[in-house]
Amino acid sequence: KAGVTQTPRYLIKTRGQQVTLSCSPISGHRSVSWYQQTPGQGLQFLFEYFSETQRNKGNFPGRFSGRQFSNSRSEMNVSTLELGDSALYLCASSLSGQGGTDTQYFGPGTRLTVL
Amino acid sequence: QQQVKQSPQSLIVQKGGISIINCAYENTAFDYFPWYQQFPGKGPALLIAIRPDVSEKKEGRFTISFNKSAKQFSLHIMDSQPGDSATYFCAASRGNAGGTSYGKLTFGQGTILTVHP
Repeated sequence: KAGVTQTPRYLIKTRGQQVTLSCSPISGHRSVSWYQQTPGQGLQFLFEYFSETQRNKGNFPGRFSGRQFSNSRSEMNVSTLELGDSALYLCASSLSGQGGTDTQYFGPGTRLTVL
Repeated sequence: QQQVKQSPQSLIVQKGGISIINCAYENTAFDYFPWYQQFPGKGPALLIAIRPDVSEKKEGRFTISFNKSAKQFSLHIMDSQPGDSATYFCAASRGNAGGTSYGKLTFGQGTILTVHP
């Protein structure tokens, strides 16, 4: 079974631009979570989608948004990029997103650099 | 608010030695505690996980010890190998609680493990 895939793997943008990242979950998984990973803040939860609905959201400004399609693929968008948005953005999929023993499987991430 | 504290930040161990990484949590509603291993250029991969109804879980060279009363859990890597050199993250989540628990893992800050040959 194919793992979680993320595209693109690397992105370089300038301040003020916007960016869209894509995530394809493991087949059959309906929950997709997004995380931001930085050396200073570690891994921080952005939001979670299930059946095209955002069910949970972390403490990030409204510039960070996402959506999920009927095939469970998900995208996240960051508008008006700031230097501090430079990070590795990770997508994780699970069957239901219910926590407990519902394991989250991570993709390789998209490395975003904002100049 | 950091809800999961992990230590040490970095750890150097000789081949064959025991690596020990510790985590402490604050939220008593957490009921699932996974450990993830991350190699450079890769996403985190689940290593082993435990629920609070058991005090220890072992899978091969990897063991989780869990102390519910102290709100602490630790990862022990026996017979550490150079191939174990990676960043390790502890995490916690709430199951079946709906709302703010959906799809959310709360991670520790990570431990960079280096195993010398």
